[in-house]
Formats: sequence, structure tokens, C-alpha cells
Amino acid sequence: SQTIHQWPATLVQPVGSPLSLECTVEGTSNPNLYWYRQAAGRGLQLLFYSVGIGQISSEVPQNLSASRPQDRQFILSSKKLLLSDSGFYLCAWTAKGNQPQHFGDGTRLSIL
Amino acid sequence: GENVEQHPSTLSVQEGDSAVIKCTYSDSASNYFPWYKQELGKGPQLIIDIRSNVGEKKDQRIAVTLNKTAKHFSLHITETQPEDSAVYFCAARAPYSGAGSYQLTFGKGTKLSVIP
Repeated sequence: SQTIHQWPATLVQPVGSPLSLECTVEGTSNPNLYWYRQAAGRGLQLLFYSVGIGQISSEVPQNLSASRPQDRQFILSSKKLLLSDSGFYLCAWTAKGNQPQHFGDGTRLSIL
Repeated sequence: GENVEQHPSTLSVQEGDSAVIKCTYSDSASNYFPWYKQELGKGPQLIIDIRSNVGEKKDQRIAVTLNKTAKHFSLHITETQPEDSAVYFCAARAPYSGAGSYQLTFGKGTKLSVIP
């Protein structure tokens, strides 16, 4: 069966520091991968998606970037974190086609 | 683009009663409608989904209904239990547009509390 892993589960970083969050999927090949941010109001905001290695699409202008160095690995990064980058970051995947989307358990990021 | 409205934002029910959460969508081309349950500190978990060629789908105590004409769909939970307490999200997805990603548009969530 397929599983999705995100780490770390929680992270506390100072303003201006770099960021790297990792997401990996097991048990499937060539998935579509997604990064979302969930703010305190509970809504899910799509940040990036990828349909293949090295292919990244950004949904909103922001301080973050994403990369997909391997088929089942998706990384969310920042060179310098802002206070406004605090939130709950979720990675998700779907198989190709109009298939269900499945989420990881997220990373709680706090910026001090 | 697609817009999904979800109501109510909070819902409290007595254990054993039914809970209904409603969503409306704007894009008549949308054809896939999942529901997610999110417990505190966890990622959303897919609990049921429905495609536009079906009007209703059931899975034990959970059911989803879809009215394509009115562009709305609902989640029904019967015989609620305390472990049903969570935030529930609806979502809608339009057919493949050539972008390759089949993106979901989410409602803002409903916090369900089941009172023992």
C-alpha cells in the first residue's frame, strides 16, 4: 500500500533562518505531489504542485520554493524565513489521472 | 476558477444524533467531490468521495449526496460518536484541464463536536 511521510513533525525556527521540509511517498510511481499551507483559520492553501521530477508549479507568490529531485521526494524550502511563514504545512499525493488525493501528517512550523 | 463554500463553520450535536455538512461549488464542470476528516495535529484523511455520475454514496455511518443541478453536495454522519469530533473539509475538482495536476479546491472546514 501507499504511504506518505513528512518530517519533521514540528519545527521552531528564528526569523531569517533557512528552511527545508521533506516529503516522501512510498508504494507508487510517478505521483503528482502537492504542498499546502494551513493557517489558523483551517483553510488549505495550495502552494506548489509537481507532475514529475524537476517540474514545479507555483500557485501563489511567496517566500518559499519547492523542488522535486527524485520521483517520490518533494522538498519545501526557504532561504530566509519570515514571521508570516508560520503555519501547518501539508504534503499530499495523487496517482496520475482523476484519483483521490492523500495527505501526510504535516509539519507545524513556528517562527520566532 | 472553482469556488467552494462550506456550511456551517461549527456544528455541535449530541452523541447518537445525525450531523449534516453542506457545500456548494461554482464550476459546473467539476466532477469529483471528496470529503476529508482532520483530527487535531494530523493531516486530512479522505473519508468518502463521490463522482458526478452518482447521486449518493454510503459507507457505514457516512453518506454523501450530490445535486449537480443545484451544484451542492452534503456529508451525512448518522449515529454520531465522540470520535467523530474533528474538522471536516469538502472539496471539488474540475476535469483535466491540460495542466496535469487535477487540483482540488477546498471549503474552509466545519468543526464538528459530538457531545457525550
